[in-house]
Amino acid sequence: EADIYQTPRYLVIGTGKKITLECSQTMGHDKMYWYQQDPGMELHLIHYSYGVNSTEKGDLSSESTVSRIRTEHFPLTLESARPSHTSQYLCASSQTQGGSPLHFGNGTRLTVT
Amino acid sequence: GEDVEQSLFLSVREGDSSVINCTYTDSSSTYLYWYKQEPGAGLQLLTYIFSNMDMKQDQRLTVLLNKKDKHLSLRIADTQTGDSAIYFCAVIKAAGNKLTFGGGTRVLVKP
Repeated sequence: EADIYQTPRYLVIGTGKKITLECSQTMGHDKMYWYQQDPGMELHLIHYSYGVNSTEKGDLSSESTVSRIRTEHFPLTLESARPSHTSQYLCASSQTQGGSPLHFGNGTRLTVT
Repeated sequence: GEDVEQSLFLSVREGDSSVINCTYTDSSSTYLYWYKQEPGAGLQLLTYIFSNMDMKQDQRLTVLLNKKDKHLSLRIADTQTGDSAIYFCAVIKAAGNKLTFGGGTRVLVKP
C-alpha cells in the first residue's frame, strides 16, 4: 500500500485566490511529481523533483510553482487561481533507481469559479 | 520523444475476458507498467513487465509484450464489475527520468 497523501481532496475557490495543494509521502522517496489530469483522462506532467531543493518543470506549461524543502513534502501553489486551472491534480513519488514505478496519491479536484 | 497510444473505450460483459492494448514508439523502453484508476481516485499500480520478458501472469492479469511491434497488452480474465475503471499503460527507459503515459482506456463492465 502506497503511503502518499494529498489534501484537500476537493477544493472550490474563487478566481484570484492563492491556493496550495499539499502532498506528503512517508516512503522516503527522493523523486516526486505533479500531474494535471484532463476531464478527458489524459495525464500531463507539470512539475517534478529529484530530491530536496530540486524542482523541474514538466512537459505541460503551468502557472503553478512547487517547492521541495523536505524529502517527504512537495506542495504545489497557484498564486492567482483562474477557471482554466480547474482540473484534477495528482501527486506521485518513486524511488531513485531507474524504472521504479510511481506511487500516486488520491488527487485533489480543484474547481475555480 | 516517446509516444504511447491506447484505444479510448472498451465494453465487456461480466465473466468475459478483457484485452486492453497499448502501442509505444521508443524501442529502448525498458519498463512497462499498467495502472488502474477508479472514479475519484489516483492511479494504482496493477502490474509491470521488463523488456526482456514476453509475458507475465499475476492471478487474473496477463501482460503480453511484443517488442518487435512495440505492442503491450493487458488481459483481465473473468472480468468483474469492480474492474470498471480507466487503465493506463506507461513506459520508461532504464536511464529515463519520466514515465510516458498513454491516454487511458475506459473499461465498462456490463452485468
